[in-house]
Amino acid sequence: AQSVTQPDIHITVSEGASLELRCNYSYGATPYLFWYVQSPGQGLQLLLKYFSGDTLVQGIKGFEAEFKRSQSSFNLRKPSVHWSDAAEYFCAVAIGVFNEKLTFGTGTRLTIIP
Amino acid sequence: GAVVSQHPSRVICKSGTSVKIECRSLDFQATTMFWYRQFPKQSLMLMATSNEGSKATYEQGVEKDKFLINHASLTLSTLTVTSAHPEDSSFYICSARQGNTIYFGEGSWLTVV
Repeated sequence: AQSVTQPDIHITVSEGASLELRCNYSYGATPYLFWYVQSPGQGLQLLLKYFSGDTLVQGIKGFEAEFKRSQSSFNLRKPSVHWSDAAEYFCAVAIGVFNEKLTFGTGTRLTIIP
Repeated sequence: GAVVSQHPSRVICKSGTSVKIECRSLDFQATTMFWYRQFPKQSLMLMATSNEGSKATYEQGVEKDKFLINHASLTLSTLTVTSAHPEDSSFYICSARQGNTIYFGEGSWLTVV
């Protein structure tokens, strides 16, 4: 069965420092991968997605992610974080006939310190 | 702007009553929508697939008689939590696909007292 693992439950980063959030997936077919961000008390906002093509994907808010098939990974990166980036981040893989259903990782909570 | 809209964003209801949550696709038709639930400090779990004009498909462990789903039009799916209990208090969120992107609604916080 498909699964998504986010090894880091909580990460603390200084403002202005670089960030990498890890995501590993297990899926038999070619994965459709997503990163979403959830601010406290809010819904989900799509940061970026990967379907095919260039394995380095650019998203909103300065985020990028790299798909590495050999490592079954889709790590999220940002060169310089801002205090407003503090939130919960979810990696997800799309499943189903039309790749419409998502299996989510457990999430990584990002804290930004001054 | 929002592509998928949910209403209400927050609702409080008494134990034993029913509450309905709406999910609308804006400016596009969605023959299929999805309902997820997120308990505090946990990830999102798929509850069911809402199919326009036919019965919903529920994930294992989700009570179909408790969580009634109706998808009467191509832009609206509703989730009704029947005979609500405090343990049903959760964040409910829907999604729909437009093209290659899966959009989520804003989510609905349900508190059962």
